[in-house]
Order: sequence, then structure tokens, then C-alpha cells
Amino acid sequence: GIQVEQSPPDLILQEGANSTLRCNFSDSVNNLQWFHQNPWGQLINLFYIPSGTKQNGRLSATTVATERYSLLYISSSQTTDSGVYFCAVTYNTDKLIFGTGTRLQVFP
Amino acid sequence: NAGVTQTPKFQVLKTGQSMTLQCAQDMNHEYMSWYRQDPGMGLRLIHYSVGAGITDQGEVPNGYNVSRSTTEDFPLRLLSAAPSQTSVYFCASSYNGMNTEAFFGQGTRLTVV
Repeated sequence: GIQVEQSPPDLILQEGANSTLRCNFSDSVNNLQWFHQNPWGQLINLFYIPSGTKQNGRLSATTVATERYSLLYISSSQTTDSGVYFCAVTYNTDKLIFGTGTRLQVFP
Repeated sequence: NAGVTQTPKFQVLKTGQSMTLQCAQDMNHEYMSWYRQDPGMGLRLIHYSVGAGITDQGEVPNGYNVSRSTTEDFPLRLLSAAPSQTSVYFCASSYNGMNTEAFFGQGTRLTVV
């Protein structure tokens, strides 16, 4: 099956710093989504981005499907950005397959 | 706007007991699914449904049953709970398959002792 790898596994930032999270996938995908799991465990959909670039406030994402990767950019990080960030993909099926996540901690 | 609602939020079971985790969505989504989340392993798909009356297995289906009698509801049944089923369970829905934006419930934390 498809492999979804995220890097780095852990990231510690001071408030105000910028960061880039990466998601690599081993096969062509139909769909790619980024999620944020907050410290209370809730999963929030950040981007639905099978290709191209999208921006939402301080967050933006880029997927280069032909090169099998996606990037999530967080600018001017805030303590509320802390949590785990997951990318998830579908490929020729209705199954959404998750990566293992990047744990982000933002300190004041 | 309720979105995806899971009940209960927390549950403790003894080994061998049965229970049903409830999931309901009010967005008229055709696609619903169940995931489990274990430390260091991300989310793994248990079962999914592309519409009422249709269900299929995901990556880790053993020990779980599902049914989809209505568009709104997708319950997950544990027939004989085992300690290996201790996990956090998430229900998700999307409008038309997982190639559209997915929405998740708040999760059910299950402990089997």
C-alpha cells in the first residue's frame, strides 16, 4: 500500500517563528488533506489540497503531486498552533490514509 | 451546527464486554468512516461506508462490526472487547467519498481492562 511519511516528527518553536512541515507519499494520489489535532484531541481540517497552493491566514500549503510531496507553512507561530499536524491521502480508493504526524510545540 | 457527533466521550470496559460507539452526522454526507488512534501510529482506518446499506473493511477491521441503516448514523460495535482495543476512536464523514473534505468527531477514549 501507499506510504505516507511526515517530517520532522517533532518541532519546538518560540512564538513568532516560521516553520515548514513536509509530507512525502510513495504513489500517485487523488487527494491530500492537512489536519491539525489540538491538545484536546480534536481534529480540524486545515486544507483540502490535491495539487497547487492554498492559503488561510498564517497557514499555507503546497502540493506538488508529480513529485509526491506536500508542504505546510506556518508563519508567525502562536501557542495555539501547538498540537499534531497530519497529512492524509487517498489513492484509487475511498480510504483516507494518514501519516504519523508532526508534533509541534510553540512556547511563549 | 452539530457536524459529526460521537458518544460516549469516555468509556471503560472489562475484557469480554460488548459495546457500541455511536456516530451521527447532520450534513447529509454519503461517506462515513471509523478510525482508531494509538500513540506513535497515527490514525488507522477500521471500517467505512460509501452510503446507506454499504460498508467495507479498512486497514484494521478485526474485532469490530459496523452497519449503515441510515445516511446519518454509523455505529461501531465491539462484540468482545480486548485490551488491544484500548485506543481513541474517531468517526469521520465527507460529502462524497474521501476525495472530498473530511470532518471528524471529537473522539471516544476507550479503555479495556
